[in-house]
Amino acid sequence: NAGVTQTPKFRILKIGQSMTLQCTQDMNHNYMYWYRQDPGMGLKLIYYSVGAGITDKGEVPNGYNVSRSTTEDFPLRLELAAPSQTSVYFCASSGSKLAGEETQYFGPGTRLLVL
Amino acid sequence: AQSVTQLDSQVPVFEEAPVELRCNYSSSVSVYLFWYVQYPNQGLQLLLKYLSGSTLVKGINGFEAEFNKSQTSFHLRKPSVHISDTAEYFCAVNSGYSTLTFGKGTMLLVSP
Repeated sequence: NAGVTQTPKFRILKIGQSMTLQCTQDMNHNYMYWYRQDPGMGLKLIYYSVGAGITDKGEVPNGYNVSRSTTEDFPLRLELAAPSQTSVYFCASSGSKLAGEETQYFGPGTRLLVL
Repeated sequence: AQSVTQLDSQVPVFEEAPVELRCNYSSSVSVYLFWYVQYPNQGLQLLLKYLSGSTLVKGINGFEAEFNKSQTSFHLRKPSVHISDTAEYFCAVNSGYSTLTFGKGTMLLVSP
């Protein structure tokens, strides 16, 4: 049981390039989340999904896209990378219908540097 | 809208001393409160959570927190810290049916 896995661990992008951050969970959780963490700012929710085929915007969705074609996978897409997207990105998942009560399980993170 | 305020960005403390990390929240819905810990270069993991019932919640690694509705607080405490407790601690509140709002974090620095 690997939990939540994220790839890559670290990536450098040039301005205007695109990339996909991968996230997979093997706990059969319905809920999945993408956060970004910037120093001194805590975690900000980018997008989340309550099940396969359903996604919704979080607090800071601009510049990102997501899809959820399977329960296990929740990739995050950056279409035109900008320096403001330099951050550490965390994927998380939680189970149960009452997701507001549930523990979120986090992946190890992806460090992204946009130059 | 829900929000979380962690009053201290850094808390330095000596090993074996007690510590309190402060968290205040605002919420217009039923409150569920969480403390997560992030060790260096890792993801977050749950320390403890308050859903209902007893206002004193015990978590892993000897931490506990007390829910105070009148003061809208959920402070985290440990009676005696270890070097290994050095980490960043995040308070969070449910912000809807399925999402959390996190505070900005408090870095706990434990020195010998």
